[in-house]
Amino acid sequence: KNEVEQSPQNLTAQEGEFITINCSYSVGISALHWLQQHPGGGIVSLFMLSSGKKKHGRLIATINIQEKHSSLHITASHPRDSAVYICAVRGAGNQFYFGTGTSLTVIP
Amino acid sequence: ETGVTQSPTHLIKTRGQQVTLRCSSQSGHNTVSWYQQALGQGPQFIFQYYREEENGRGNFPPRFSGLQFPNYSSELNVNALELDDSALYLCASSFLGSVNTEAFFGQGTRLTVV
Repeated sequence: KNEVEQSPQNLTAQEGEFITINCSYSVGISALHWLQQHPGGGIVSLFMLSSGKKKHGRLIATINIQEKHSSLHITASHPRDSAVYICAVRGAGNQFYFGTGTSLTVIP
Repeated sequence: ETGVTQSPTHLIKTRGQQVTLRCSSQSGHNTVSWYQQALGQGPQFIFQYYREEENGRGNFPPRFSGLQFPNYSSELNVNALELDDSALYLCASSFLGSVNTEAFFGQGTRLTVV
């Protein structure tokens, strides 16, 4: 069993739809990151969370430490949001445990 | 855009050869960790270097080795390459010693072993 589980694995949405990606983890963490990976492979950190909620533009990330669960929301989705979104938790040793990613396609 | 740079961006090697991948670290960071991402999977932890010493390792054989230099940049070396080593190799730069500092990822090196 992976330390980090994400759902769904694949998601197709119409432009403008509200999107939610979920992440559950089973290890103790110092922080949780939501990452975006485009087809070229490079990873960009969207959010780093240790509690509560963060918002950046149309992106919102929440975390519930007690339930070991986090969600990434995208409001008013746009085709340029199409990418793989990865949930990663930073463990006690500073290393990351990654989910397998959610591949999002937003159709115009 | 982060200050973490990986080189080369793409590489093709033959089975049995050796390869060295490089990663610069973000200014002010003291830790570099390396990850292997096979096609369609999430990245897997290889190892981490802190102040020039390995301080954590995932489930990878000894032919995966590394170095960290005084400027905190790092190398990943893989000996006796196997076809299954074909993957995207990512490095992440962070600061160990403060819980909530951000981590930055490089663009990755795509290694193909033929």
